[in-house]
Amino acid sequence: GAVVSQHPSWVICKSGTSVKIECRSLDFQATTMFWYRQFPKQSLMLMATSNEGSKATYEQGVEKDKFLINHASLTLSTLTVTSAHPEDSSFYICSASGAWWNTEAFFGQGTRLTVV
Amino acid sequence: SQQGEEDPQALSIQEGENATMNCSYKTSINNLQWYRQNSGRGLVHLILIRSNEREKHSGRLRVTLDTSKKSSSLLITASRAADTASYFCATDNGGTSYGKLTFGQGTILTVHP
Repeated sequence: GAVVSQHPSWVICKSGTSVKIECRSLDFQATTMFWYRQFPKQSLMLMATSNEGSKATYEQGVEKDKFLINHASLTLSTLTVTSAHPEDSSFYICSASGAWWNTEAFFGQGTRLTVV
Repeated sequence: SQQGEEDPQALSIQEGENATMNCSYKTSINNLQWYRQNSGRGLVHLILIRSNEREKHSGRLRVTLDTSKKSSSLLITASRAADTASYFCATDNGGTSYGKLTFGQGTILTVHP
């Protein structure tokens, strides 16, 4: 299957700083990528849909000014957590849809963010 | 919003036994996918079943889909300790953003050696 690479796999940052997470599709072009968040012992919740060359679509309750998404190319989407706070500590994971209809999504390895 | 509900929330069995997890969803789907997640790690795709399929097999995994009841089940036969993980169903509802998944709450499976 296709490969999606997410970086970094873990990051610790101080409260008030910003953190950027990258999601790359390595062997295919992804016009759409998705960002999910998972709190401990919970399921994955979709945060936003990242569209190449246009603004991201955020799910209800997700602050777009806090979670900045940029999808500048067909192989790279970035999520920036701005002014991070301890409550933003979570597991963030991206996925890219396949280049064809009705196939599995391809997930990155995820990023464990800890804000201290 | 989360539309998938899974049961049981937790399942504890002995090695060699079968494990069955169920998933229900609320709206029409293009496909339903099952994933495994080991503690604190990324997702491993297990199997995808399309809305026009009723059953699918992959090794020790058997997935069924009943679109009339909006439910799916994942059966792991002859379980092993290495199967210990969280299992999630996820639905792809189609539309313009294919690949956009809605996850169930997950089942934590513990297989005792």
